[in-house]
Amino acid sequence: EAGVAQSPRYKIIEKRQSVAFWCNPISGHATLYWYQQILGQGPKLLIQFQNNGVVDDSQLPKDRFSAERLKGVDSTLKIQPAKLEDSAVYLCASSFSLAGSAYNEQFFGPGTRLTVL
Amino acid sequence: DAKTTQPTSMDCAEGRAANLPCNHSTISGNEYVYWYRQIHSQGPQYIIHGLKNNETNEMASLIITEDRKSSTLILPHATLRDTAVYYCIVRVGSSNTGKLIFGQGTTLQVKP
Repeated sequence: EAGVAQSPRYKIIEKRQSVAFWCNPISGHATLYWYQQILGQGPKLLIQFQNNGVVDDSQLPKDRFSAERLKGVDSTLKIQPAKLEDSAVYLCASSFSLAGSAYNEQFFGPGTRLTVL
Repeated sequence: DAKTTQPTSMDCAEGRAANLPCNHSTISGNEYVYWYRQIHSQGPQYIIHGLKNNETNEMASLIITEDRKSSTLILPHATLRDTAVYYCIVRVGSSNTGKLIFGQGTTLQVKP
């Protein structure tokens, strides 16, 4: 079974530029997550989609970050304009999320390492 | 904020059991404890989860105290490949939409 795919793996940009990350979840997984992981810290949830609807975006800096999940499959996360503090690894995860089930294993992709200069 | 506290780092000898503690004193009755680990430069990987009873799978065992205020992840025979950051997480929210709030985790170093 193919895992969660992310691209690019690495990106270097200058502050005030824009950048986009792409995620392809595991086939059949209804729930998709974007996390930000700053060096030395645990991942922080930015946004969670259930199919193509947003479940939780309370930690997403909406003045500069946006995300979409068209057709309930692939997703893109965009930053515009980027700041120095956005330097981090951006992780995408997906889960099957069977309704009523307590089991909600999240499968993570390899992440995109963003460096903002 | 994360609802768990873990030691920052631990060492373990190769072939010995690694016991990783976690405190979650404010856990609610219907909140699950999850463990993930993150090997360097990779995404986190699910290990195990539990509610009240002890759990075991091919990777590890999870021991949850009767009052549910703490738990211990046990890797029965640690190998060098088990060197990673281990996250103890209390899942917040409903079953299929609940979210994981990661803390800083415990860095486990397995030594030869």
